Amino acid sequence: GAVVSQHPSRVICKSGTSVKIECRSLDFQATTMFWYRQFPKQSLMLMATSNEGSKATYEQGVEKDKFLINHASLTLSTLTVTSAHPEDSSFYICSARDGWNTEAFFGQGTRLTVV
Amino acid sequence: QKEVEQDPGPLSVPEGAIVSLNCTYSNSAFQYFMWYRQYSRKGPELLMYTYSSGNKEDGRFTAQVDKSSKYISLFIRDSQPSDSATYLCAMNVNNNDMRFGAGTRLTVKP
Repeated sequence: GAVVSQHPSRVICKSGTSVKIECRSLDFQATTMFWYRQFPKQSLMLMATSNEGSKATYEQGVEKDKFLINHASLTLSTLTVTSAHPEDSSFYICSARDGWNTEAFFGQGTRLTVV
Repeated sequence: QKEVEQDPGPLSVPEGAIVSLNCTYSNSAFQYFMWYRQYSRKGPELLMYTYSSGNKEDGRFTAQVDKSSKYISLFIRDSQPSDSATYLCAMNVNNNDMRFGAGTRLTVKP
C-alpha cells in the first residue's frame, strides 16, 4: 500500500508554545489529507479535511485558529498546534488519499504531550 | 444514535481461533467500507477495503458487507498472537467524510 510518513512521532512541549506536525505522502500525490485526534481507548475523531491549495475544512468544535492546517503541496500537509495547553495532549494522526473514492492511508501518528 | 456502532470489547481468543468482528451503521448512503488494524501507539493500517455488498478475502482475512442489514464483518482465520491489536471499521459515502467505529481491542493468547 501507499506510504504516509508523519513526523515527529513524539513531542513534548511547554505550555504556551506551538508545535508543528508534518504529514507526507511518499509515493503518491495526496489531493486530500485528513487530520484526526485520538484519545486513549477511543476512536479517531476527525479534526479537519484539507485539499491541496485550499483552506482546510474544520469539523464542528475544532478551533481553526488553534489548529492551523496547511496543505501547500500534493505531498505535504502540516498541523500546527498553537499556544498548546495540557488539554491538547493527545495522539494526532494524519491520513491521505489520492482522489475521490479511494482508500485512505494513515501516518504513524504523533503523540503530543504538553507540560 | 452513533452513525457507526462497534463493540469495543475487549475480545480475547486462543491462538488458532476464528475471530469475528462486526460493525453496524445507520446511514444507508455509505458505500465504501474499510477495516483498519491499529497497534498500540501506532497509526491505523488499512487491512481491507470493499465497495458495496459482498465478500472480499485476503489471506486469513475476510470482509463481509451486508448493506440490506447495514452490517459489516471482518473474520480472521487461524488467529495469531501478532493479530492482537485494535480493529477499527470505517465507512464513507461518495465524499470526504469517513466515519469510524470505536474500535474493538483483540487479544490472541498463545
